[in-house]
Parts: sequence; C-alpha cells; structure tokens
Amino acid sequence: EAGVAQSPRYKIIEKRQSVAFWCNPISGHATLYWYQQILGQGPKLLIQFQNNGVVDDSQLPKDRFSAERLKGVDSTLKIQPAKLEDSAVYLCASSPDVSYNEQFFGPGTRLTVL
Amino acid sequence: KQEVTQIPAALSVPEGENLVLNCSFTDSAIYNLQWFRQDPGKGLTSLLLIQSSQREQTSGRLNASLDKSSGRSTLYIAASQPGDSATYLCAVKSNTGKLIFGQGTTLQVKP
Repeated sequence: EAGVAQSPRYKIIEKRQSVAFWCNPISGHATLYWYQQILGQGPKLLIQFQNNGVVDDSQLPKDRFSAERLKGVDSTLKIQPAKLEDSAVYLCASSPDVSYNEQFFGPGTRLTVL
Repeated sequence: KQEVTQIPAALSVPEGENLVLNCSFTDSAIYNLQWFRQDPGKGLTSLLLIQSSQREQTSGRLNASLDKSSGRSTLYIAASQPGDSATYLCAVKSNTGKLIFGQGTTLQVKP
C-alpha cells in the first residue's frame, strides 16, 4: 500500500512570494491533515478535512494561508504572501476516518523563506 | 487548553544503555496517547499507541506507560542502539480527534 505522498520535498522562496504544497493521501482515507512543524517544535495542526469539508481550521492563519481538497482526495496548501516565520516543515497526514486511532504521515515539505 | 511537554529536549547516551523519555500533559481528558519517531528529513513513524483505558504498551525494546491521573507518559528504550538515534515525539489525541504534540526529545546513541 502506497503511503502519503507530498511534493515538493524542498522549496526556497523570497519573502512576499507565494508557494503551494501538494498532498496525496493514502487511497480511501477520508480524513486529511496539514501540520506545520517549526524547527525544534512539535507539529501543529493547521487544518483538518473530512472528505472535502473542513473540520478544524482554527489555527490556520487565514490572512495568508489557504487549503483546499476539492474532490475529497488530493489537497493543496498555499501561502501568499510568505513571511520569514513561515519557514518550517509542512506535514500532511491521513487516516481512514476522523475517529480512527492513527494518522499516517507523509515525508513533509521543507520550506525556507529568505 | 491542552499542553504537552517533553523532557529532556536532548539526550546523549552510550550504546547499550537503558533510557527513559518523559511526556506530560495538562488535561487528562484524552482519547489516546501516541509516541512517534522522526528521522531527519523524514515524516513521523508511529511507535506505540496507548488508549486512554490502558496503562502501557510494548513493542520489542520499547515500552510506553500512561498515567492519566498525573498527566504523564514515559517511553522506555532498552539496550539502546545507534540506530535509535532520532527525535521522539509524544502526542495526545483529544476527544474531538485533534492531535497535540510535544516539542520532542532528540536522542543520540553513541557507538
């Protein structure tokens, strides 16, 4: 069974530029999560989808971050415009359902904002 | 608001030593607690999951315990090996399904 796929793996941009990350969850998984992990910290949930609906986006900085999961499968996370403090690893995870015990994580996208 | 803390932030031990990593959380109303391993440049790998009704889980050289009443969990690693070098994260799952992570303990096992 293929795991959670993310691309790109690395991205370097200047501040005020825009960037997008892509996530393909495990086939059949209804729940998808985006996390931000700043160096030296644990991951922080940005947004949680159940199929193509948003369950929790309380910690998403909505003035610059947006995310979508239009067909309930792949998801895209966008930052526009980027700030220096957005430098982090962005992790995508999926699970069969919101009540399932475990989440399965992708390798992450490391973003550096200069 | 649930907060998860891990102590120590970093740990260096010689190969073969037994060690304990600590995790504490402020709200005992949790659904489960999970320990993850993170290697540099990689995602998270789940090591052990303890349901709120359980006291411990074991897998190979790893043993995790949970004491909900005191808001503590420990991860015990027996006979450590250089391949155990990684960052270890604990996370509590709230009854709403949200995972809240600690900041991690970075372990180095020296040959």
